[in-house]
Amino acid sequence: KNEVEQSPQNLTAQEGEFITINCSYSVGISALHWLQQHPGGGIVSLFMLSSGKKKHGRLIATINIQEKHSSLHITASHPRDSAVYICAVTGVIQGAQKLVFGQGTRLTINP
Amino acid sequence: DVKVTQSSRYLVKRTGEKVFLECVQDMDHENMFWYRQDPGLGLRLIYFSYDVKMKEKGDIPEGYSVSREKKERFSLILESASTNQTSMYLCASSLWWGGRNQPQHFGDGTRLSIL
Repeated sequence: KNEVEQSPQNLTAQEGEFITINCSYSVGISALHWLQQHPGGGIVSLFMLSSGKKKHGRLIATINIQEKHSSLHITASHPRDSAVYICAVTGVIQGAQKLVFGQGTRLTINP
Repeated sequence: DVKVTQSSRYLVKRTGEKVFLECVQDMDHENMFWYRQDPGLGLRLIYFSYDVKMKEKGDIPEGYSVSREKKERFSLILESASTNQTSMYLCASSLWWGGRNQPQHFGDGTRLSIL
């Protein structure tokens, strides 16, 4: 079992829909990250959070530490939101802080 | 804005060659990382460095080595390239602040093909 599990693996929606991507983790963490990767490779950090909720534009990230679960929401989705969204957690592994990644969720928004 | 620059976007090499992938960051970050990304396997850590001349093995260090002679530059070396090292390679850097690693900043990646 992976230490970080994302669902769904693939998601296709129509422009304007409300999108939710889920992330569950099984290790102790100091922070959780949401990353975005567009076709071509570049990865951008969207959020880093350790409690509660953060909002940036149409993106909202929440985390529930007790349930070891986080969600990424996109309101009023747009085709330019099409990308792979990756959940990652910062854990102390072998004495060093390292990122452990989920498998990613491929999101496609159709016009 | 933080800039992490990888020397090549695409690279084609032959089996047995020694391959160097270079990464430079311009924000004086302490931490630098090398990952590879493969379909179905996600991102996996090869090596990381938290200071000049310091390095730590990640999850899949076999067949790779690294060098960090200057704070801004972190090099990944494939000593004798093999076809199973064909992959997308991503470099990242982060600041150590507030007792924790801050968000990582990624380069655009190098798509390496070993023939």
